[in-house]
Amino acid sequence: DTEVTQTPKHLVMGMTNKKSLKCEQHMGHRAMYWYKQKAKKPPELMFVYSYEKLSINESVPSRFSPECPNSSLLNLHLHALQPEDSALYLCASSPGVGLAGGRATDTQYFGPGTRLTVL
Amino acid sequence: AQSVAQPEDQVNVAEGNPLTVKCTYSVSGNPYLFWYVQYPNRGLQFLLKYITGDNLVKGSYGFEAEFNKSQTSFHLKKPSALVSDSALYFCAVRPPNTDKLIFGTGTRLQVFP
Repeated sequence: DTEVTQTPKHLVMGMTNKKSLKCEQHMGHRAMYWYKQKAKKPPELMFVYSYEKLSINESVPSRFSPECPNSSLLNLHLHALQPEDSALYLCASSPGVGLAGGRATDTQYFGPGTRLTVL
Repeated sequence: AQSVAQPEDQVNVAEGNPLTVKCTYSVSGNPYLFWYVQYPNRGLQFLLKYITGDNLVKGSYGFEAEFNKSQTSFHLKKPSALVSDSALYFCAVRPPNTDKLIFGTGTRLQVFP
């Protein structure tokens, strides 16, 4: 089973709203990722969690706040977003990250995404 | 700088014909190369990867890719295209000693009946 689930599938929010995106995997993976994808563009990495600790933040604005409550769950909290933040938000997971032992060869498995529209 | 290039925005092929989607890379050290496919309004699905060993990698749905170190290429191929293969294809590289996937700009494959 290589399934990553994301909820909700679609989200419409105003610029003053607070909302959260959720991601879940039960593959025992210890690395989880958030990506942002604009139409017809490649995914852009936002955050990486490794063993429930934030390991990479790609200079993402603070209106995006990630959280990893446990090894199976990843949240993205949204607050005071802008219309240009409208995009497909993808979650991914991989067995583990680490520079030794060939972990860089891990495959990332993606969820179906949340389509976010900011009005 | 680490990068991936997909030189074709779109590839058109007739059903039943062979298809090739091109990818070249620029990475310091040994690259780890991946192909993903994305159907409309969906996430990315993993097709195959090259880590080491045999230069011809076989993946899901009849796809394969050939790693060519001298040409720094990793082209995706399929002997006989299906209309259902029509989608957006991304090549990606994961440089050694990094947690990041670097994606190409994507190639839209259109298979005509």
